[in-house]
Amino acid sequence: DTGVSQDPRHKITKRGQNVTFRCDPISEHNRLYWYRQTLGQGPEFLTYFQNEAQLEKSRLLSDRFSAERPKGSFSTLEIQRTEQGDSAMYLCASRPTGAPGELFFGEGSRLTVL
Amino acid sequence: AQKVTQAQTEISVVEKEDVTLDCVYETRDTTYYLFWYKQPPSGELVFLIRRNSFDEQNEISGRYSWNFQKSTSSFNFTITASQVVDSAVYFCALSVEGYSTLTFGKGTMLLVSP
Repeated sequence: DTGVSQDPRHKITKRGQNVTFRCDPISEHNRLYWYRQTLGQGPEFLTYFQNEAQLEKSRLLSDRFSAERPKGSFSTLEIQRTEQGDSAMYLCASRPTGAPGELFFGEGSRLTVL
Repeated sequence: AQKVTQAQTEISVVEKEDVTLDCVYETRDTTYYLFWYKQPPSGELVFLIRRNSFDEQNEISGRYSWNFQKSTSSFNFTITASQVVDSAVYFCALSVEGYSTLTFGKGTMLLVSP
């Protein structure tokens, strides 16, 4: 499978715990995005990388959220001190240069905070 | 700021009916891109089409067609002779020149029954 893969697919955690999600984009794609989707809503942009550089962060992204893409390949999204409002599907997407907006999405990582 | 409105929350049709999904967008930018994505029950968003703001030509791809009208700020999507496999949530999205992120609407759930 050469698509975007995300791990874990499901995560249940208690409020206050830290969680980390991993995304492996399509190998030749240099742009990587994180979005969050809640029930009945469209995806909301969180952050974006071009290679290893984090170029944009949404104002929605509180200080408890951090994302990295250390070698310009896979990326991690960490949420510290989780809150119930963090419960959502976290989507990763990637795209190559020269295809604006044509994102290839993974299946998402569903977070449930109890 | 950008905004995308999909007023239809849910549409139910019977197989072989034609169906149109509405999308209205707001932006002050003169150069922008419009998109449609499909999210089937499996959850993975799939890119369907991209249109730039300078190209108002309608497009047809098989049973799918798109009508872009700048005068009404609309980018509607029609499925002809719908099939059960078309059942999904469809999202309209917008990005503006110079920004890599997409602003999504809330989506329209299409249910096609046999």
